[in-house]
Amino acid sequence: KAGVTQTPRYLIKTRGQQVTLSCSPISGHRSVSWYQQTPGQGLQFLFEYFSETQRNKGNFPGRFSGRQFSNSRSEMNVSTLELGDSALYLCASSLAGTTEQFFGPGTRLTVL
Amino acid sequence: QQQVKQSPQSLIVQKGGIPIINCAYENTAFDYFPWYQQFPGKGPALLIAIRPDVSEKKEGRFTISFNKSAKQFSLHIMDSQPGDSATYFCAANQAGTALIFGKGTTLSVSS
Repeated sequence: KAGVTQTPRYLIKTRGQQVTLSCSPISGHRSVSWYQQTPGQGLQFLFEYFSETQRNKGNFPGRFSGRQFSNSRSEMNVSTLELGDSALYLCASSLAGTTEQFFGPGTRLTVL
Repeated sequence: QQQVKQSPQSLIVQKGGIPIINCAYENTAFDYFPWYQQFPGKGPALLIAIRPDVSEKKEGRFTISFNKSAKQFSLHIMDSQPGDSATYFCAANQAGTALIFGKGTTLSVSS
């Protein structure tokens, strides 16, 4: 079974731009969560989607948004990029009704 | 109350040693405690997890010890190998909520 895939793997943007990251969960997994990983703050939860609905949301500004499609694929968008948004963005998927989360390789975003 | 505190921040052991990584939590509603292993350039991989109804769980060379009254849990790696060199994260949550992660422990196993 294929794991969680994330595209692109690397991105370089400049301040003020916006970016869209994509995540394809493991087949059959309907829950997708997004995390931001930085050296200083570690892994921080952004949001979780289940059946196209946002189920949980972390403490991030409204510039961070996401959505989930009917095939469970998910995208996250960051608008008006700031230097501090440079991070590894991780997506994790899980089966409905379970707590085990399986992570993708992440998208490394660099904001210049 | 939502924090998970992890220690030490870094750890160096010799091959064959038993590194121990500790985590403490405050929220008594947490009922799921996983450990993740992350190699450079990779996403975290689920290693082992425990629920509060047991005090210990073993999977291969990895053991979780859980102390509900102290609100602490720890990861032990038996007979550590250089290939175990990675960053380890503990986490916790209750059903329906997001995982809260510790800050991570960078383990280096020297040969």
